[in-house]
Amino acid sequence: GEDVEQSLFLSVREGDSSVINCTYTDSSSTYLYWYKQEPGAGLQLLTYIFSNMDMKQDQRLTVLLNKKDKHLSLRIADTQTGDSAIYFCAERLMDSNYQLIWGAGTKLIIKP
Amino acid sequence: ETGVTQSPTHLIKTRGQQVTLRCSSQSGHNTVSWYQQALGQGPQFIFQYYREEENGRGNFPPRFSGLQFPNYSSELNVNALELDDSALYLCASSFAGVMTEAFFGQGTRLTVV
Repeated sequence: GEDVEQSLFLSVREGDSSVINCTYTDSSSTYLYWYKQEPGAGLQLLTYIFSNMDMKQDQRLTVLLNKKDKHLSLRIADTQTGDSAIYFCAERLMDSNYQLIWGAGTKLIIKP
Repeated sequence: ETGVTQSPTHLIKTRGQQVTLRCSSQSGHNTVSWYQQALGQGPQFIFQYYREEENGRGNFPPRFSGLQFPNYSSELNVNALELDDSALYLCASSFAGVMTEAFFGQGTRLTVV
């Protein structure tokens, strides 16, 4: 069945780069997404990548996709305290226009 | 601020009771998806409504039901509440289910005691 896995925690120093990793199992994924969730807030779409792409860059965010290994990563350059949040990886399957399969989220902790 | 509002923000119910959660969608959006997010977990897809019809459902029992109104706002109803229904319930509005342009509400925190 479909499954998306992420590490539960990542701790980085302010100013360093953060790399959050995600693995998925379904090779028919069409889009892969990264969402951010802050305490008391809803889910915010950060970026997404189409499955035929290897990389996408958007300001401080870089998404890398390795389809062979079914591995997705999100790199946040120059991590700031405002980046503290839970980051979710999600995949959209080819046979579904609407259902997303989500990971359990990675909590990003910023050390001063 | 996304323009998607959910009510109430918090709710406490007793096991066996029924609950209705509400979601108003972003202007111009005709699709609402509902998700259940248990503590420490990612969201789980419950169902989606498009133009007042359910057009997709996740692995949830029939006691989870919904409605979408002509103004595209939506309700999630849960009957015969169980303790495991305690979770954050999120709705997302989009145009025709395009998730790259979907906006999430802040959620309703439901506690079943």
